[in-house]
Amino acid sequence: GAVVSQHPSRVICKSGTSVKIECRSLDFQATTMFWYRQFPKQSLMLMATSNEGSKATYEQGVEKDKFLINHASLTLSTLTVTSAHPEDSSFYICSARDGQQLNEKLFFGSGTQLSVL
Amino acid sequence: TQLLEQSPQFLSIQEGENLTVYCNSSSVFSSLQWYRQEPGEGPVLLVTVVTGGEVKKLKRLTFQFGDARKDSSLHITAAQPGDTGLYLCAGASSGGSNYKLTFGKGTLLTVNP
Repeated sequence: GAVVSQHPSRVICKSGTSVKIECRSLDFQATTMFWYRQFPKQSLMLMATSNEGSKATYEQGVEKDKFLINHASLTLSTLTVTSAHPEDSSFYICSARDGQQLNEKLFFGSGTQLSVL
Repeated sequence: TQLLEQSPQFLSIQEGENLTVYCNSSSVFSSLQWYRQEPGEGPVLLVTVVTGGEVKKLKRLTFQFGDARKDSSLHITAAQPGDTGLYLCAGASSGGSNYKLTFGKGTLLTVNP
């Protein structure tokens, strides 16, 4: 089955530094990728939708200058948390949609636990 | 904004009991998906329901999509400790590049041995 690889799985950083999270589709072309944020025991909140080769579409309330998304190829999207602060600590999850399939199935990465000290 | 109301938010039961989780919306979705998530991992798709009135079974899990495609339910029979996890419903709205998946708030299920 289709696999989405998300890296790193866990990162601890100092306040003020930037952190990059990668999301790769391993055996399909992901024309669209989604980035979610999840707090403990809560649901996934969509942050942004990224389409290959174009600017990401951010959800209301999500700072695009804070959360930089790049989707430069059909198999890779990155989320960079710039100047991270403790309130950015969260579980970040990406998902990808197979551009060659007509169904609405999404494939999820295993998530990245970000802890900002 | 499409909203999915999922209930209950928390559920703690004993092994062998049955349970039902509900997912309701005022919006129509092209499909509705159910996921199960364990701590520190991404959600895993359990089932996708597409047709109004559709019923799908996955071992002890029964999923139903409402006739109007606005609501869904997940019923677990004879719950096992291995069923413990966060259950998420998600409604899909498609339109080419405007595909979007909206998640409910989730149901945290604990099955005690």
